[in-house]
Amino acid sequence: EVQLVESGGGLVQPGGSLRLSCAASGFTFSSYSMNWVRQAPGKGLEWVSFISSISSTIYYADSVKGRFTISRDNAKNSLYLQMNSLRAEDTAVYYCAVVVGGYSDYWGQGTLVTVSS
Amino acid sequence: EIVLTQSPGTLSLSPGERATLSCRASQSVSSSYLAWYQQKPGQAPRLLIYGASSRATGIPDRFSGSGSGTDFTLTISRLEPEDFIVYYCQQYGSSPLFTFGPGTKVDI
Repeated sequence: EVQLVESGGGLVQPGGSLRLSCAASGFTFSSYSMNWVRQAPGKGLEWVSFISSISSTIYYADSVKGRFTISRDNAKNSLYLQMNSLRAEDTAVYYCAVVVGGYSDYWGQGTLVTVSS
Repeated sequence: EIVLTQSPGTLSLSPGERATLSCRASQSVSSSYLAWYQQKPGQAPRLLIYGASSRATGIPDRFSGSGSGTDFTLTISRLEPEDFIVYYCQQYGSSPLFTFGPGTKVDI
């Protein structure tokens, strides 16, 4: 069974940093590209970042470019999102998701990031 | 930059009725890279349709997708009580790499 478990969310002050993790199991993690997608409270889905299976291709949404860094450790079956210079508008539930052919059939349960003083 | 627009924002229907949800792109999207998701409150999105018209694993056949170019449609042939939630379309490939529509809420 495919499982994606996010962790690392919490309350952080504006300008602070946080590192999210996504632990993957039940599939060959190293063979799949991954996304981070977020959802602000009461709002829609927003794509954040993409990383290919061997980290050779990385993309970011303009809203996080230069502040967030996506990475993965295939030996540990883990995906990461380093978030720096956090702003109030980064407050959201952050989901990791497996990417296959441009869509995501598997998602984690999400981790909440709250940026507030 | 590609923008996806979904209409209507809210669709008020009754169980057993047919629902037609629209997703319009600001520029042409490859049909291979248009997907639909549903999302229940407090849960992660669930893939319904990929490649514009292919049902994901385990999705009932009352859900169908169609369309090409800039206009895509998700149809729910007969609404069940569990279908009254939010639906998103998503494209892949155009800048930005992934884009979600704002969502359509199907209301009783």
